[in-house]
Amino acid sequence: SQTIHQWPATLVQPVGSPLSLECTVEGTSNPNLYWYRQAAGRGLQLLFYSVGIGQISSEVPQNLSASRPQDRQFILSSKKLLLSDSGFYLCAWSGTGGGETQYFGPGTRLLVL
Amino acid sequence: SQQGEEDPQALSIQEGENATMNCSYKTSINNLQWYRQNSGRGLVHLILIRSNEREKHSGRLRVTLDTSKKSSSLLITASRAADTASYFCATDANTGGFKTIFGAGTRLFVKA
Repeated sequence: SQTIHQWPATLVQPVGSPLSLECTVEGTSNPNLYWYRQAAGRGLQLLFYSVGIGQISSEVPQNLSASRPQDRQFILSSKKLLLSDSGFYLCAWSGTGGGETQYFGPGTRLLVL
Repeated sequence: SQQGEEDPQALSIQEGENATMNCSYKTSINNLQWYRQNSGRGLVHLILIRSNEREKHSGRLRVTLDTSKKSSSLLITASRAADTASYFCATDANTGGFKTIFGAGTRLFVKA
């Protein structure tokens, strides 16, 4: 069966510090991978998606970046965090193709102070 | 602008009652999905309905889709306190891409 892992679960970082959030998927090959951000009590904002190793599509201009160094590894990074980067970050995977069911990780709650 | 928008934003009902949540979208779609999120957790997929389907059931869940009105509804029958969560609709926007667009969600509170 497929599983998706995200870590850390919670992170408190000062403004201007770097960020690295990791997401890994097990039990499937060549998944589509996604990073979302969710503000408190709101819906999901798609940040990045990837259909293959090294292939990253950015949806929202910001100081975040994403990388996919391995087939089932997706990393969200920032060189300098802003206060506005606080939120709940969710990683998800799906099968190839559009409109597929997405399977979400447990999320990382990031607080930038 | 958001592709999917849920209505109501929040809903409070007694255990045993039915809960109905609605979703409207703007562009044509290939399918529409409903997800559930418990507070502080990831989303869990509930049901997918394709654009050529009008109704789908899964346990206590019933989803309808009206493509002429660009709307969908999620009905939870005989609600339980454990159904307390946020519910999101999501559409693929029929753009041929890989984006799934989520609405802002309906927060359901079921009182025991």
